[in-house]
Amino acid sequence: GQNIDQPTEMTATEGAIVQINCTYQTSGFNGLFWYQQHAGEAPTFLSYNVLDGLEEKGRFSSFLSRSKGYSYLLLKELQMKDSASYLCAVRVSMNTGFQKLVFGTGTRLLVSP
Amino acid sequence: EAGVVQSPRYKIIEKKQPVAFWCNPISGHNTLYWYLQNLGQGPELLIRYENEEAVDDSQLPKDRFSAERLKGVDSTLKIQPAELGDSAVYLCASSRGTGTDTQYFGPGTRLTVL
Repeated sequence: GQNIDQPTEMTATEGAIVQINCTYQTSGFNGLFWYQQHAGEAPTFLSYNVLDGLEEKGRFSSFLSRSKGYSYLLLKELQMKDSASYLCAVRVSMNTGFQKLVFGTGTRLLVSP
Repeated sequence: EAGVVQSPRYKIIEKKQPVAFWCNPISGHNTLYWYLQNLGQGPELLIRYENEEAVDDSQLPKDRFSAERLKGVDSTLKIQPAELGDSAVYLCASSRGTGTDTQYFGPGTRLTVL
């Protein structure tokens, strides 16, 4: 089966740095995505990793270790608008040859002043 | 570029009633997905279309759910009859290629079944 684990909730202070971890046990791994989802809104794409290492995009960075089944999303210089849920999603290859995204339950981040 | 459009945004119905959701994907995106998202959970794939063809509908409860994507553009997802447990957000997403590209999500339809 496919299993993705993330912390349910995290809190941080404006201006700080926060790291959201994601561990996965999946078969047919073919990449890992991070999405941001504000309450009542669409998930929006943040980052994609398929090779080991760090991908940096402005205030957001994402890291992947395929051998450890581990990823993290790093948010720097936190702003109030970063309060949202962060979804870790693994793309897996199915027996049919197609690929699908399997999502974790999401980490709700609350940024306080 | 316009994003994925869904309507309605909210729907409240009584159990056993039918309901339909509509999705217009990003222009040029051949792959369309319907997801179900329960409160506090991540999205779960219901069905995926490559153009007009449903290529993965293994998670779609076919006794009451149906979907179509006529002409390979817009899509509708229908529930008939709705049950209390169907209350959730129904998300539509699209991607340019055959499932290997980034998926872009619409705002979803929040369904409440009373």
